[in-house]
Amino acid sequence: KQEVTQIPAALSVPEGENLVLNCSFTDSAIYNLQWFRQDPGKGLTSLLLIQSSQREQTSGRLNASLDKSSGRSTLYIAASQPGDSATYLCAVSWGGSEKLVFGKGTKLTVNP
Amino acid sequence: GAGVSQSPRYKVAKRGQDVALRCDPISGHVSLFWYQQALGQGPEFLTYFQNEAQLDKSGLPSDRFFAERPEGSVSTLKIQRTQQEDSAVYLCASSQVGRRERGDTQYFGPGTRLTVL
Repeated sequence: KQEVTQIPAALSVPEGENLVLNCSFTDSAIYNLQWFRQDPGKGLTSLLLIQSSQREQTSGRLNASLDKSSGRSTLYIAASQPGDSATYLCAVSWGGSEKLVFGKGTKLTVNP
Repeated sequence: GAGVSQSPRYKVAKRGQDVALRCDPISGHVSLFWYQQALGQGPEFLTYFQNEAQLDKSGLPSDRFFAERPEGSVSTLKIQRTQQEDSAVYLCASSQVGRRERGDTQYFGPGTRLTVL
């Protein structure tokens, strides 16, 4: 069964700290992997998409890496800010289907 | 439009009622997806369309759930004889097939929160 796991479930850090969110997936034959942000009561905002042929993607203070052989992705957030507080979701699509399989998310709190 | 829109944003139904949830995708997006998100969980796939063709409905939890996209743009998710376990946020997403880089990105609407009493 194709599954996505995110650790930790929740994370609380002081403002300014660099942090890493982890995502692991079964079955390395992925098509792509996406990181999303979800604010309470809101929909999902796409942060980064990594195609299976890529190793990493960067956008501003965010950097996502992909290691297919080990079935892992990390989302690195530099110099965290209170506005980064949200739930971060990792989602994977495997070949043959466009559907996304999501992890349960990591709830991040950045304290001022 | 500027983004994916969904209506209604909130729906309260009595157990046994039928409900219809609407999704307007980003103009020109070929693929449209429906997901169900229970409280504290990640979204779970329900079904998806390419244009008007429903290519995968493997995630629909029962035959009470039905989705359509007759003209390849707007989609409706219908739930018949609602049950309490149907209470969740229903998310719609669209994507532009065939482009590299960001082309596979799924763009999500704000969701419809369904509460079944």
